[in-house]
Amino acid sequence: ELVLTQSPDTLSLSPGERATLSCRASQAVNSNYLAWFQQRPGQAPRLLIYEATKSATDIPDRFSGSGSGSEFTLTISRLEPQDFAVYYCHDYGDSVGTFGQGTKVEVK
Amino acid sequence: VQLAQSGSEVRKPGESLTISCKASGYKFTGYWIGWVRQMPGKGLEWVGIIYPGDSDTRYSPSFQGQVTITADASITTAYLHWNSVRASDTATYYCVRRQGLNSITDYWGHGTLVTVSS
Repeated sequence: ELVLTQSPDTLSLSPGERATLSCRASQAVNSNYLAWFQQRPGQAPRLLIYEATKSATDIPDRFSGSGSGSEFTLTISRLEPQDFAVYYCHDYGDSVGTFGQGTKVEVK
Repeated sequence: VQLAQSGSEVRKPGESLTISCKASGYKFTGYWIGWVRQMPGKGLEWVGIIYPGDSDTRYSPSFQGQVTITADASITTAYLHWNSVRASDTATYYCVRRQGLNSITDYWGHGTLVTVSS
């Protein structure tokens, strides 16, 4: 079973700064079927990125995804107050799929 | 698209439980629908998914044999069932829509909190 490992566990940054989140897979992700979700406290997750680089509907352009194979990155170019949340990567190329353990982006 | 989940539940260990997810706003039999678990203060875990069009059901290895996922296309509702709950089943369970088996998860329900305590 494919395992996704996210780093770092916690990222402490200030509004306006750039955030770079990493997701590493234990084996290559089929067809780059890798997504990123944002979860704010008390809310359901929201799809940000799919197929590693494609933005979901109504997602601000400060969010971008990159990578292929087994190494993927989510970049938030300039953090807004509402971006402080937990982010999960998700592989959906392998049957049911799996999530990474999450990266919390917190206010420094 | 809306996924309306049933309300919070409290059960004692060993009791049975079924939670539901009423889908609307799209063709129910044309998409996969699934369940994601989030234990208190923890991350997301796939429980499993079902294709209501033919009842094809897939489970994550950790949940195989522990729960049952079903769907009733006549009332566009999916279910997650336990024969015997345990304290470790305490979590929020999200209902989600998936565009295909190897496709994106695009809609989420609000979550159902399940508490198992003696």
